[in-house]
Amino acid sequence: AQSVAQPEDQVNVAEGNPLTVKCTYSVSGNPYLFWYVQYPNRGLQFLLKYITGDNLVKGSYGFEAEFNKSQTSFHLKKPSALVSDSALYFCAVRDWGNYQLIWGAGTKLIIKP
Amino acid sequence: DGGITQSPKYLFRKEGQNVTLSCEQNLNHDAMYWYRQDPGQGLRLIYYSQIVNDFQKGDIAEGYSVSREKKESFPLTVTSAQKNPTAFYLCASSGQGAQGNSPLHFGNGTRLTVT
Repeated sequence: AQSVAQPEDQVNVAEGNPLTVKCTYSVSGNPYLFWYVQYPNRGLQFLLKYITGDNLVKGSYGFEAEFNKSQTSFHLKKPSALVSDSALYFCAVRDWGNYQLIWGAGTKLIIKP
Repeated sequence: DGGITQSPKYLFRKEGQNVTLSCEQNLNHDAMYWYRQDPGQGLRLIYYSQIVNDFQKGDIAEGYSVSREKKESFPLTVTSAQKNPTAFYLCASSGQGAQGNSPLHFGNGTRLTVT
């Protein structure tokens, strides 16, 4: 079965430190992977995607993600966290059965001053 | 500015009443989607439409209905048959339909409370 796992419900990071939000996936066929961010009571905003090519993908707001095929992971990273990065982060993978997205449960990122 | 507008932001209804959530986009996107979001869960797909006058059931379509009479509009009706309708509902659109790599653009959601 195709799936996405975000193993951490919450991640706490001090401002200025690097951050990582983890995502692993299981999909038949080539993985199309996405990261979205959601601020309270708002819709989701697209951050970045991996379709093919370089394993390190750069996205909005200084975020990047590393695709690792052998570990079936697509972790979101940022070298230096900001308090304004505090939000809910979702990983998603394309389901090639119906072309829709399969979503992780989300990880709450809290950046402390 | 182009975008997706969902209205209303908050909606309160009595149990047993049908309610319709509005979603309008001016991005000229072919595909539109409705998701339901509950705390601690990922987004769950209710219905999606790849083109006008056509739509498909998602993973949790029971108790919901949609229409797609215009490219820019994709209203969702939550019927009295939906057992647990209280949730945050998100509408989205994308430009490439089934091609797979186009990101979704989301509205700011409607929070529905049924008592």
